[in-house]
Amino acid sequence: AQSVTQLGSHVSVSEGALVLLRCNYSSSVPPYLFWYVQYPNQGLQLLLKYTTGATLVKGINGFEAEFKKSETSFHLTKPSAHMSDAAEYFCAVSTGGGNKLTFGTGTQLKVEL
Amino acid sequence: GAVVSQHPSWVICKSGTSVKIECRSLDFQATTMFWYRQFPKQSLMLMATSNEGSKATYEQGVEKDKFLINHASLTLSTLTVTSAHPEDSSFYICSASSSGTGGAYGYTFGSGTRLTVV
Repeated sequence: AQSVTQLGSHVSVSEGALVLLRCNYSSSVPPYLFWYVQYPNQGLQLLLKYTTGATLVKGINGFEAEFKKSETSFHLTKPSAHMSDAAEYFCAVSTGGGNKLTFGTGTQLKVEL
Repeated sequence: GAVVSQHPSWVICKSGTSVKIECRSLDFQATTMFWYRQFPKQSLMLMATSNEGSKATYEQGVEKDKFLINHASLTLSTLTVTSAHPEDSSFYICSASSSGTGGAYGYTFGSGTRLTVV
């Protein structure tokens, strides 16, 4: 069984401030972990993923995440928020390539001037 | 990169009619496709998993006779909502992965279909 918990359904930051979106997972096998972004009425765009190897993963648009097995976490960060980062963010876990994804409940990121 | 095309982007239909949604992988062969449903302000709920040439595997609580899924080729899967009712109104999203490279592609998603049943 696998599950994802995203703490904070809404996060608000000032433009230029650090973005931190939290994700904790549960998996009975080594997980594949993903962060996706969704803009209104659109599909999901992959920001970054962890499968194996380096635990610090860099993605698109300046985002990165670190896989911490001891903490079962995969938090998403960005040093400096931009207005265009305002969107819904989903953390997801799977047990391997081609297996189904389980999503967290999502975090709505708001960026204020 | 991997691209999945989902069509139509939005559709309005009358109650009692059927609607078909297509999901195509444009530049890779998708051995597995996933169909999700998303309610407003909520997360994605997996409806079913389909493998090319096989019957779809439905999640618990999803009516297989209402949501017909066909995955006849490695590049096309379809979801048909039969005898649609207003409660079926939702945002439907497909996702495709390729056997052995699911991690590499990261489960490419279509752009979604907004279904409104009136």
